Amino acid sequence: QKEVEQDPGPLSVPEGAIVSLNCTYSNSAFQYFMWYRQYSRKGPELLMYTYSSGNKEDGRFTAQVDKSSKYISLFIRDSQPSDSATYLCAMSRNILTGGGNKLTFGTGTQLKVEL
Amino acid sequence: KAGVTQTPRYLIKTRGQQVTLSCSPISGHRSVSWYQQTPGQGLQFLFEYFSETQRNKGNFPGRFSGRQFSNSRSEMNVSTLELGDSALYLCASSLDFYTGGADQETQYFGPGTRLLVL
Repeated sequence: QKEVEQDPGPLSVPEGAIVSLNCTYSNSAFQYFMWYRQYSRKGPELLMYTYSSGNKEDGRFTAQVDKSSKYISLFIRDSQPSDSATYLCAMSRNILTGGGNKLTFGTGTQLKVEL
Repeated sequence: KAGVTQTPRYLIKTRGQQVTLSCSPISGHRSVSWYQQTPGQGLQFLFEYFSETQRNKGNFPGRFSGRQFSNSRSEMNVSTLELGDSALYLCASSLDFYTGGADQETQYFGPGTRLLVL
């Protein structure tokens, strides 16, 4: 079983829709949670970063972390065609407890926002 | 501030050859990590260098190696290439963790080097 599970999609939604992307994880040592966006043939771009349970909002994006359920989500409001990309969740342990800077990624969810 | 740069962007090699990829981190970043991305396995951690020392290592064979220079630039080397090494190799950099604060662990990725092994 993988440490981080993510539905690969593809997910297709109409423009303006609310998109919900999710990951579950099994390692309770993960303390930092990130969402990256990756366009085709490009490197991942950091979207959201959080290190505690609860919600964090940035413009149209909201990241949600539930450590008790080992579940994280990314919501995209008013989705646009330019949001079409692969969304990757990533997690890491605390550097001070030996995690270093190793990120463990989900497989990524491919999102297409259609006009 | 300039982002993470990687060279070359594309590379074609044949089985048995070796290859060296280069990464220049964001100015001021001292940690450099390398990842392999394939359609089947997704993004997998190779290793991390901090202050010229390997601090963390993933589950890859010894054919994969790396190093970091005093200016934080990093190289990774793959010897005796196999067809399965065809992938996008990504480099990511982050701030020195001794400075404190949550943002210290944020990793910023370069565009990657796409390696094709024939």
